[in-house]
This record gives sequence, C-alpha cells and structure tokens, in this order.
Amino acid sequence: GQNIDQPTEMTATEGAIVQINCTYQTSGFNGLFWYQQHAGEAPTFLSYNVLDGLEEKGRFSSFLSRSKGYSYLLLKELQMKDSASYLCAVIDSNYQLIWGAGTKLIIKP
Amino acid sequence: GAVVSQHPSWVICKSGTSVKIECRSLDFQATTMFWYRQFPKQSLMLMATSNEGSKATYEQGVEKDKFLINHASLTLSTLTVTSAHPEDSSFYICSAREREAEAFFGQGTRLTVV
Repeated sequence: GQNIDQPTEMTATEGAIVQINCTYQTSGFNGLFWYQQHAGEAPTFLSYNVLDGLEEKGRFSSFLSRSKGYSYLLLKELQMKDSASYLCAVIDSNYQLIWGAGTKLIIKP
Repeated sequence: GAVVSQHPSWVICKSGTSVKIECRSLDFQATTMFWYRQFPKQSLMLMATSNEGSKATYEQGVEKDKFLINHASLTLSTLTVTSAHPEDSSFYICSAREREAEAFFGQGTRLTVV
C-alpha cells in the first residue's frame, strides 16, 4: 500500500529552528511537495523536490533522499505566524498526489 | 536544475470571462505536461495529461470544453478556463517532463473568480 509518515505534532520556540520529517512508501515516485496549512484555510504550496538534495527558499528549506524514501522541511528563525500544519505529499507513478496526515507545529514565545 | 515557469501566479477575473494560464519548460523539452487543480481543504486532483502535438487526455469528471488545454510546442502548454464561475476559483498547478524523465512542477496559479 501507499504510506506517508510524519509526526503528528511538534513544538518549537520563536526564533529557533525546527525540522519536520516525512518518510514515504509509494508505488513509484515523481516528486514530493511540502504545503503549509493554517486552520480553516486551504493548503499553501511551500516547496517541491524531485531530485536528491536540499532546496533553499529563504527561511524554509526542503531536503529529499529518494533512496531512503525520506524528506524533511527545515524552518529557520521561527515566527509566531509559522504556527500551522505542514503537509508532505508525494506524486506517485500515476501522477496522483498522496498526502500525509500533516504535522501540527506549535510555536511558543 | 530543470525549471517550469507558470504564469500568472495569481489572477482575479469576473464571472463569465475566460482566463488563460501558461506553463513553460525553460531548459528542457516538455513532451508531456500535466494539469492539476486543488480543491479547498482537499488534495490536488489530476485534471488532464497532454502530449505535445496531441489532444489532451482528460480525467473522468473534468469538462474538456470548460478547461481547454493546448500543448502546441515542446516548451509551452496553456490551460484556459472558459466562462469562469466562482466555483472555478482554485489553485491550478502544472508539471512537465521530457519523455520518461522526472516531472517538474510550476509554482501554481491561484484563480479567484468574482
């Protein structure tokens, strides 16, 4: 079956760094997304990785290792507005999107 | 690395008008392009697959006369939302690949119909 695992909830301090991990087992792989979702709103696109390595975009970075079926989202200089759910999603061999359950990130002052 | 450019990143249009979204592969030949739509609080949904020079193949439930896809060249595909209505407001994202290589995604277009 298809499976995407990420922690249910994480807590971090304002100004710190946090890493949210995602592991996947899917029928084929054609890329991995990270989305941010604030309560009551639609998910917002953060990043897309299809090749191994680190992609950096300002305070957010995303890493992928296809051989390990592993990705992480790194958030630096955390701000209170970063409190949200972070969703990992994989494009499978049929080009359909498979979603993880999301990680709720709580930022404390 | 390979880059797919999608334009515009956001657009607001009046109900009844048509909107065109472009998807370009900047440094490779996109023999196949995919168009997705994201429904609020739901997953991305594959709308259609297009091969350069051929008619697009639409997924079940997607109106081909409503969502016109043109893939006339190896670097450009367009999605036109015809006679847009508020329920068409969504996030549309394209991806492109060269033959059997990896697919790369655009940044997406947020469409709001008022």
